[in-house]
Amino acid sequence: AAGVIQSPRHLIKEKRETATLKCYPIPRHDTVYWYQQGPGQDPQFLISFYEKMQSDKGSIPDRFSAQQFSDYHSELNMSSLELGDSALYFCASSPRGQGHEKLFFGSGTQLSVL
Amino acid sequence: SQQGEEDPQALSIQEGENATMNCSYKTSINNLQWYRQNSGRGLVHLILIRSNEREKHSGRLRVTLDTSKKSSSLLITASRAADTASYFCAPYTGNQFYFGTGTSLTVIP
Repeated sequence: AAGVIQSPRHLIKEKRETATLKCYPIPRHDTVYWYQQGPGQDPQFLISFYEKMQSDKGSIPDRFSAQQFSDYHSELNMSSLELGDSALYFCASSPRGQGHEKLFFGSGTQLSVL
Repeated sequence: SQQGEEDPQALSIQEGENATMNCSYKTSINNLQWYRQNSGRGLVHLILIRSNEREKHSGRLRVTLDTSKKSSSLLITASRAADTASYFCAPYTGNQFYFGTGTSLTVIP
């Protein structure tokens, strides 16, 4: 069965650079969530989209932006990267509109800011 | 915050023993879910219990929910070394999932 696909798997950037993370949800899933997980920490909710519209916003810095495209894939754009942005970034999808609330997670993108 | 808070933060048991993890949350929920995470990997859904349910079973998993106390517990029976992972509760408000700090479970063979 198809799963949530995230790319790239690993990303190394310098301070003040930009990064774009991509997420391809499971087909027919209408909701995408982005989470940030620092080492030894819990996943922190960043932002979510439902049917290509922003659904909810969490602790996402102003330097970050995200969108969901017509094919339901989502991209998280991160600018002016800081050392503290180093973390594992997860995307999760859910067929929320169909009444299912379970999250399906991708394998994550490990971002290292040097 | 609306985050779930797990207790204990770390748990080490012998294979074959039962493991119990607790979760408390702060707001009204539609349901509460438990997820498992192996080191550096994505979270995997384990079980969902709705706000009008008190107990649910799935294989070796048993979850309880007490909405009056805003708490839940996850019991893993007859633990195996492969159960070693971090376990997170995720209260679902109908719009958002909030994960707590998790319980790190180590099952010693």
